[in-house]
Amino acid sequence: NAGVTQTPKFQVLKTGQSMTLQCAQDMNHEYMSWYRQDPGMGLRLIHYSVGAGITDQGEVPNGYNVSRSTTEDFPLRLLSAAPSQTSVYFCASQRGYNQPQHFGDGTRLSIL
Amino acid sequence: GQQLNQSPQSMFIQEGEDVSMNCTSSSIFNTWLWYKQDPGEGPVLLIALYKAGELTSNGRLTAQFGITRKDSFLNISASIPSDVGIYFCAGNSGGSNYKLTFGKGTLLTVNP
Repeated sequence: NAGVTQTPKFQVLKTGQSMTLQCAQDMNHEYMSWYRQDPGMGLRLIHYSVGAGITDQGEVPNGYNVSRSTTEDFPLRLLSAAPSQTSVYFCASQRGYNQPQHFGDGTRLSIL
Repeated sequence: GQQLNQSPQSMFIQEGEDVSMNCTSSSIFNTWLWYKQDPGEGPVLLIALYKAGELTSNGRLTAQFGITRKDSFLNISASIPSDVGIYFCAGNSGGSNYKLTFGKGTLLTVNP
């Protein structure tokens, strides 16, 4: 049972490059979300989706785009990477209201 | 917006000691969750609490959902070196709301 799978695990980009972080879940969960984790800041919500075709902004959405064409996949796109986007990114999925979220192992992104 | 205050920020203890950490909120939550994050990995769910006053154990871990619904605590008994990591609390305000609010984490170090 794979759960939530994130790829790649590590990535180094140059300022201005674009990139897509992949997230897939095999639990048929409707809700998926992206967080970034920075030292001393905890987990901050970037974007989320309550189902295929539906996305919305979280706490820190600027510089990121998402789409949800299927229940399983929820990619996060950086259109023009900036050093401030150096972080660890986590994808999570959730079965329903008031249920726990299940996290992937993260993507460690460095932007030079 | 909702905020969770998690304390302490860090703890350094000796193997065998008991540990207690807590989270408080300015607003009511319907669900409290406790996660542990090992270095280089994503958060993993430890305990989920769904009712005010609920006390739930998972091995050496015990968590309680506060009566006021504005707080929760996590206890770890007889700590061992593998308890090292960051512990996060998270809450959900209920209704048709998937989103979780996270505390900033408690970094636990266990000295063998």
